[in-house]
Amino acid sequence: AQSVTQLGSHVSVSEGALVLLRCNYSSSVPPYLFWYVQYPNQGLQLLLKYTTGATLVKGINGFEAEFKKSETSFHLTKPSAHMSDAAEYFCAATGFQKLVFGTGTRLLVSP
Amino acid sequence: GAGVSQSPRYKVAKRGQDVALRCDPISGHVSLFWYQQALGQGPEFLTYFQNEAQLDKSGLPSDRFFAERPEGSVSTLKIQRTQQEDSAVYLCASSPRGRAGPYNEQFFGPGTRLTVL
Repeated sequence: AQSVTQLGSHVSVSEGALVLLRCNYSSSVPPYLFWYVQYPNQGLQLLLKYTTGATLVKGINGFEAEFKKSETSFHLTKPSAHMSDAAEYFCAATGFQKLVFGTGTRLLVSP
Repeated sequence: GAGVSQSPRYKVAKRGQDVALRCDPISGHVSLFWYQQALGQGPEFLTYFQNEAQLDKSGLPSDRFFAERPEGSVSTLKIQRTQQEDSAVYLCASSPRGRAGPYNEQFFGPGTRLTVL
């Protein structure tokens, strides 16, 4: 069975600072990995995904993530935070169809 | 083009009432998923359809939960005799291909927020 752990329910950064949201997965087989963003009262929007190939994945809005099999991690980063990045971020994994989500990390961005 | 839509967006029910939540997937999408998102939690899988066939219902928490997709497009999630623990946001997602293909992106609707009093 797969599981996803997100360290830190809240992360606070200043505008312009580096964003780092942590995600670790547990799986008996290499999974497909995803990061989703959720704005208030909206559905989930895909930021980026890792399936196969290059382990550094670039997504929308300047986000990227690196798949590290040896560390079973898929951390999300962005070099410079914007106020508009404030939202809830979910890491997810799948081996087949259904997604298994972490509990989410709320990103707070201060001026 | 239109995305996934869900209705109603908000639903308040008294404990014991039955509710029906509707999902309109993106036209032509083969796969449809339901997830339940409790307050402060990540979404949890409920059930999966490929066209009209319900291939996985392992996430449905009790026999009070029932989902259908009779014509392979619109889906309804029904909850009978609602309980307070059913309060959550119910998310629907669709994807263009079916189970046999490579993984493809799930497109999510805005969700229905159910509050059971």
